Amino acid sequence: DQQVKQNSPSLSVQEGRISILNCDYTNSMFDYFLWYKKYPAEGPTFLISISSIKDKNEDGRFTVFLNKSAKHLSLHIVPSQPGDSAVYFCAATPMWFGNEKLTFGTGTRLTIIP
Amino acid sequence: GAVVSQHPSWVICKSGTSVKIECRSLDFQATTMFWYRQFPKQSLMLMATSNEGSKATYEQGVEKDKFLINHASLTLSTLTVTSAHPEDSSFYICSARGGADSNQPQHFGDGTRLSIL
Repeated sequence: DQQVKQNSPSLSVQEGRISILNCDYTNSMFDYFLWYKKYPAEGPTFLISISSIKDKNEDGRFTVFLNKSAKHLSLHIVPSQPGDSAVYFCAATPMWFGNEKLTFGTGTRLTIIP
Repeated sequence: GAVVSQHPSWVICKSGTSVKIECRSLDFQATTMFWYRQFPKQSLMLMATSNEGSKATYEQGVEKDKFLINHASLTLSTLTVTSAHPEDSSFYICSARGGADSNQPQHFGDGTRLSIL
């Protein structure tokens, strides 16, 4: 049972345009969400997170939007740069004390076209 | 930022060998570390949660006698794959939460690619 889903395995975006990566979840106990970026043969790198008490969090070129009623979150990257080409994973966790088990989606491979 | 170092990055060994993977938090103390496994083109699957000074908590379906976890200090956790077989070949990644604040994100090592011949 895939509780966190990234339905687009790949996405290609022109350099300078906006990249939008989507993620859906089914477990209503999830209340903290994270996006990670991963290059081949490396571990994931934390990008940005959002708590369920917010619907938007912004950090530089990266913005995460959360729609709790739809159980959907998205990562916006603008403007997209060639170095953004990587696999992006969304992850979710119920954040009661002591429990930070991350459940990951299957990832979306983002390719930025120069 | 928080740095997690994982060693070795690549291991090739014969079937039946035991392999130890180290995960270190370099610039912070980690009371909790996590071990994940990733198969090709799949998501990271949590194997176990490693707590300093106590037994690890294993996810359902993960054999604790097969995957031994030791978290002897606040900066080091080890995963030992005992009597490894070809089906254990995978990408193993550790992570650590940077600090006691439960809002701190997990920071990941660069992973260990394990190939069992």
